[in-house]
Amino acid sequence: ETGVTQSPTHLIKTRGQQVTLRCSSQSGHNTVSWYQQALGQGPQFIFQYYREEENGRGNFPPRFSGLQFPNYSSELNVNALELDDSALYLCASSSDGTGRMNTEAFFGQGTRLTVV
Amino acid sequence: SQKIEQNSEALNIQEGKTATLTCNYTNYSPAYLQWYRQDPGRGPVFLLLIRENEKEKRKERLKVTFDTTLKQSLFHITASQPADSATYLCALLDTGRRALTFGSGTRLQVQP
Repeated sequence: ETGVTQSPTHLIKTRGQQVTLRCSSQSGHNTVSWYQQALGQGPQFIFQYYREEENGRGNFPPRFSGLQFPNYSSELNVNALELDDSALYLCASSSDGTGRMNTEAFFGQGTRLTVV
Repeated sequence: SQKIEQNSEALNIQEGKTATLTCNYTNYSPAYLQWYRQDPGRGPVFLLLIRENEKEKRKERLKVTFDTTLKQSLFHITASQPADSATYLCALLDTGRRALTFGSGTRLQVQP
């Protein structure tokens, strides 16, 4: 167990709906990244938060948004869901303290989102 | 364009042999390169990290090499066991960036 917990573990949504995924990072980790992993692919970087500010973003549209809270837990929100959003969503946290993932990243077990 | 390439074909080897997985990158200047293990339906688990100025890193049966001239990292598992069967991902932290970029992973199957 890494100490990073994600909820829910599985979710089914209808196209056009909105979804919020949650991540509780390991104690003391102030850098949190979110990734989307389609079946058979590597994780694709969505965005990263450091001390409640977004400090990096991948090639995802604005309907993917996020938040980091003072206790460093984080949310990923996706609006106007599309069928292609079906994937495993992973959250990772790091203790580097500089806002960079240059040390070991601890991943949660992921949220499996299915859009129908 | 930037690419991180791992062999998409599964690697099948016999128990006890050494598994060697390859990670090649294009148009990156990585400060760090990391290797992760991922089991089906689970999040990746960190294995090893190597810095740009390091040639080799070892941890128990694992060894990673990093050649910034060839733009390649090799990941070796010696005395492989069926329990080593999983997908192995390489990830790099590009100079000037803050987040990891992952390859697509290579599936390793160790036959008893």
